[in-house]
Amino acid sequence: KNEVEQSPQNLTAQEGEFITINCSYSVGISALHWLQQHPGGGIVSLFMLSSGKKKHGRLIATINIQEKHSSLHITASHPRDSAVYICAAPISGGGADGLTFGKGTHLIIQP
Amino acid sequence: KAGVTQTPRYLIKTRGQQVTLSCSPISGHRSVSWYQQTPGQGLQFLFEYFSETQRNKGNFPGRFSGRQFSNSRSEMNVSTLELGDSALYLCASSLGGGPFTDTQYFGPGTRLTVL
Repeated sequence: KNEVEQSPQNLTAQEGEFITINCSYSVGISALHWLQQHPGGGIVSLFMLSSGKKKHGRLIATINIQEKHSSLHITASHPRDSAVYICAAPISGGGADGLTFGKGTHLIIQP
Repeated sequence: KAGVTQTPRYLIKTRGQQVTLSCSPISGHRSVSWYQQTPGQGLQFLFEYFSETQRNKGNFPGRFSGRQFSNSRSEMNVSTLELGDSALYLCASSLGGGPFTDTQYFGPGTRLTVL
């Protein structure tokens, strides 16, 4: 079982819709990353947050440390938001220390 | 400021060979992390270097190794290549805190194909 779980795996929505992607993790962490990957492979870091909420343009990320859950919201979605969204948490164990990634959410925004 | 650069961008090798990938971080960044991305396993953390020392390590066999130079540039080496090593290898740099505490700035990746 992956220690970082994302849902949904796939999401197709219409332009303008409000989008929510969820990420849950199994152990206490200090911070969580949200990443965006476009076709072709390039990865951009959207947020790193350890508490509360962060906003950048139409993107909002929230985290509840006690419930071990984070959400990424996109308001007024646009076709250019189509990408894979990945959450990642610093989780140690099994002799390894580093970021553990969710499987990603494939988002398609249709015009 | 120039972004993170990786060379080469594409590489084809055969089983049993070894390969070295290079990563130049953003100027002023001292932490470099390496990641492997495959369709089956997704993104996985390989290791992180800071001040020429490996600071964090993922769960990969010893065939995967790395090093960092005094100018913060980093190389990753994979020896005795296996078919399963075919992947996109990404590096990311950050100021100094590494992937646990700092925003990661990713390079474009090196796509390695092992035949």
